[in-house]
Amino acid sequence: AAGVIQSPRHLIKEKRETATLKCYPIPRHDTVYWYQQGPGQDPQFLISFYEKMQSDKGSIPDRFSAQQFSDYHSELNMSSLELGDSALYFCASSLPLAGLQLRELFFGEGSRLTVL
Amino acid sequence: KQEVTQIPAALSVPEGENLVLNCSFTDSAIYNLQWFRQDPGKGLTSLLLIQSSQREQTSGRLNASLDKSSGRSTLYIAASQPGDSATYLCAVSTGVAAGNKLTFGGGTRVLVKP
Repeated sequence: AAGVIQSPRHLIKEKRETATLKCYPIPRHDTVYWYQQGPGQDPQFLISFYEKMQSDKGSIPDRFSAQQFSDYHSELNMSSLELGDSALYFCASSLPLAGLQLRELFFGEGSRLTVL
Repeated sequence: KQEVTQIPAALSVPEGENLVLNCSFTDSAIYNLQWFRQDPGKGLTSLLLIQSSQREQTSGRLNASLDKSSGRSTLYIAASQPGDSATYLCAVSTGVAAGNKLTFGGGTRVLVKP
């Protein structure tokens, strides 16, 4: 079965550089979520999109921005990178909301960003 | 603000023993709770999803219970195997208005010894 695809899987950047992570949700999933997991930490919610519109925002720095495109893939753009941005970035997707029955989240393998 | 806690942080058992992993959350107004498995440096694999109206879910050797009023969930893994060694995370969703934003616990790192 198709899963959530993230690219690149690994990325090394210098401080103050820019990075872009891509996420391709499972077919028919219209909701995308981004999470950041620092070393030894639990995943922290960054931002989510539903039908190409931002639906919720978490602890995402102003240096980061994201969007969801017409084909439902999403990109997370990170500028002025800092050492503390080194983390595993997960994308997750879910089926359309069905009333109050919120759907299961399926996560990608993650993109590991290392900032030197 | 929702806080999720998992105890113990680490657990080591001999193969064949049953595993009991605990998760507690401070705000009982949840919409669902999801258990995940994470192998080192890897992604999150969904194990079980329990809607707030449910009390338990089962999948193979896995059984998860939910007591919303007391803010607790327990994941049982029967007859553990070395391949069950991983970190197990629980996460709660706190409302439709928030979409399905999940708040994660710190995880329980499990080691099953052959």
